Amino acid sequence: AQSVTQLDSQVPVFEEAPVELRCNYSSSVSVYLFWYVQYPNQGLQLLLKYLSGSTLVKGINGFEAEFNKSQTSFHLRKPSVHISDTAEYFCAVSDASGGSYIPTFGRGTSLIVHP
Amino acid sequence: GAGVSQSPRYKVAKRGQDVALRCDPISGHVSLFWYQQALGQGPEFLTYFQNEAQLDKSGLPSDRFFAERPEGSVSTLKIQRTQQEDSAVYLCASSLGDETRAETQYFGPGTRLLVL
Repeated sequence: AQSVTQLDSQVPVFEEAPVELRCNYSSSVSVYLFWYVQYPNQGLQLLLKYLSGSTLVKGINGFEAEFNKSQTSFHLRKPSVHISDTAEYFCAVSDASGGSYIPTFGRGTSLIVHP
Repeated sequence: GAGVSQSPRYKVAKRGQDVALRCDPISGHVSLFWYQQALGQGPEFLTYFQNEAQLDKSGLPSDRFFAERPEGSVSTLKIQRTQQEDSAVYLCASSLGDETRAETQYFGPGTRLLVL
């Protein structure tokens, strides 16, 4: 079984400030990791994913995330946020060992960007 | 190209009423997932189709929930005798192939169900 913990339910930040959204996972097998964004009244959209290779993954809209196996983390970062980044962000994990194909999502972090 | 669409976007049902929620995945996508998203929570898996085959329905909360994808494209999630605890957003997602562990899922906007 695998699980995902997003410790922060809400992260308020001023426009043009840097931000980090935290994600920790628990799994007994190797994993694939994803970050999705959900804008109001829209479906989830992939920001980035880690499958293998470089632990620093770059995604859309200037976001990046770093896979840290020893700390079982996959934190999402952006050096300078915009008002338009205000949304709900979900971290997800899936089994890379060939087991269950069902991804597990975290509870989400609401990023609120203030002018 | 068109993304994943869902209908209706909003549904209000009286307790005990049956509802049917429709998902139109991206054309050619093999895999289709249904999720339930409660307020303030992440998506919770309900069921998974590969083409027309329902490979996993372990997440369906009760036998009142039923899903089908008869021709391997459009899918319908049906809830019989709705209860207040069924109130949630129901999300549909599709992906291109059958290697769902690594693939990007494309989500629809969801159907927001409110049971009174």
